[in-house]
Amino acid sequence: QVQVVESGGGVVQPGRSLRLSCAASGFTFSTYGMHWVRQAPGKGLEWVAVIWYDGSTKYYADSVKGRFTISRDNSKNTLYLQMNSLRAEDTAVYYCARDPPYSNSLGLDYWGQGTLVTVSS
Amino acid sequence: QSVLTQPPSVSAAPGQKVTISCSGSSSNIGNNYVSWYQQLPGTAPRLLIYDNNKRPSGIPDRFSGSKSGTSATLGITGLQTGDEADYYCGTWDTTLSPGGIFGGGTKLTVL
Repeated sequence: QVQVVESGGGVVQPGRSLRLSCAASGFTFSTYGMHWVRQAPGKGLEWVAVIWYDGSTKYYADSVKGRFTISRDNSKNTLYLQMNSLRAEDTAVYYCARDPPYSNSLGLDYWGQGTLVTVSS
Repeated sequence: QSVLTQPPSVSAAPGQKVTISCSGSSSNIGNNYVSWYQQLPGTAPRLLIYDNNKRPSGIPDRFSGSKSGTSATLGITGLQTGDEADYYCGTWDTTLSPGGIFGGGTKLTVL
């Protein structure tokens, strides 16, 4: 069955870095775009970044542009989010989600359980 | 404040119908397809509707979606207590900095 499992969250000081991983299984990872979406405690969903199936194109939310980098290793079926210069407002649960080729919208059909990132001194 | 505007809350009785609106602009909803998500407390979002009005496999036909101009609507009929959740609309925004966007979310209470 399709699974995406995030890892790498934790408590980090402001200004430091953290790398999240998302391990995919049960589908042909190299044929799907992948997204990161976050949710601050008690708040709504915020789209963070997307990477095309082949890694050729990446887009970022303005709030993370220049600080976060999305990448993927199709040989390892793994998605990454490198987060640098972290701020308190980056505190959130980070979800990775699959973007199926049949959807023309932001129709993310499988989500992980999320990993919590807390930025605090 | 989100670029896509949703009502903070809606409520209805079991068995009734409810609609949730999502208002945007020409740079997002007006020229892109819309999706809808349900998020039960403590869980990840679940895709309900994609491409304005299509349901993924396993989503009951009690859930429906529509779009007109720069607004979209999620409809839920035959409300059940298990439908009590947060609902989010989502789409692409194709401004100078393209990317995904979500509405602020709507809390559905089934009275």
